Amino acid sequence: QVQLQESGPGLVEPSGTLSLTCAVSGGSISSGGWWSWVRQSPGKGLEWIGEVYHSGSANYNPSLRSRVTISVDTSNDHFSLRLSAVTAADTAIYYCATDGIGGYNLGYWGRGTLVTVSS
Amino acid sequence: EIVLTQSPGTLSFSPGERATLSCRTSQSVISKYLAWYQQKPGQAPRLLIYAASNRATGIPDRFSGSAFGTDFTLTISRLEPEDFAVYYCQYYGRPALYTFGQGTKVEI
Repeated sequence: QVQLQESGPGLVEPSGTLSLTCAVSGGSISSGGWWSWVRQSPGKGLEWIGEVYHSGSANYNPSLRSRVTISVDTSNDHFSLRLSAVTAADTAIYYCATDGIGGYNLGYWGRGTLVTVSS
Repeated sequence: EIVLTQSPGTLSFSPGERATLSCRTSQSVISKYLAWYQQKPGQAPRLLIYAASNRATGIPDRFSGSAFGTDFTLTISRLEPEDFAVYYCQYYGRPALYTFGQGTKVEI
């Protein structure tokens, strides 16, 4: 079974760039599927950020597209998120996730990592 | 753009009761693109139902999903103590590929 683990700084300064990595185990990114990032602001709902395929092709939420880059490293089985020009509104728990059974859903999730934007 | 409306925001039940949660889409959608998740405090969401009515691997059969037009329903036939959580519906489609409802909290 695929397992996902997020890592990265827990504190980012305003106007800086948030960078996170998701390590994949129990499966290979190269085996296929899309690899997503989702965030959840404290006490709020879920917001999909974007996804990347093993080829490097990516799709983004239009609301964040201008600030987001998701990339993949198939040789090390991890994928990454970069979110630029962050503000306090970007403070959230960031999850990495991937396709579940049947497709069109997110069946596997990491445990999430809290990123706080503050000086 | 599809909007998912889950109402009410909070439902109160006792263990053993039947719970029916609603997710309404703003326009007609394809059922195979609708999923349900459970999220407990401090945990990631867990996939419960995919394609509107199919249980994900390892999900107890007290959880079921159904669809009628733009109304999607998650039913928990007999609430167990571990079922008290927040439930989200999710739709797959453009422009943001994964759109989530605002969630329904099932509380005691």
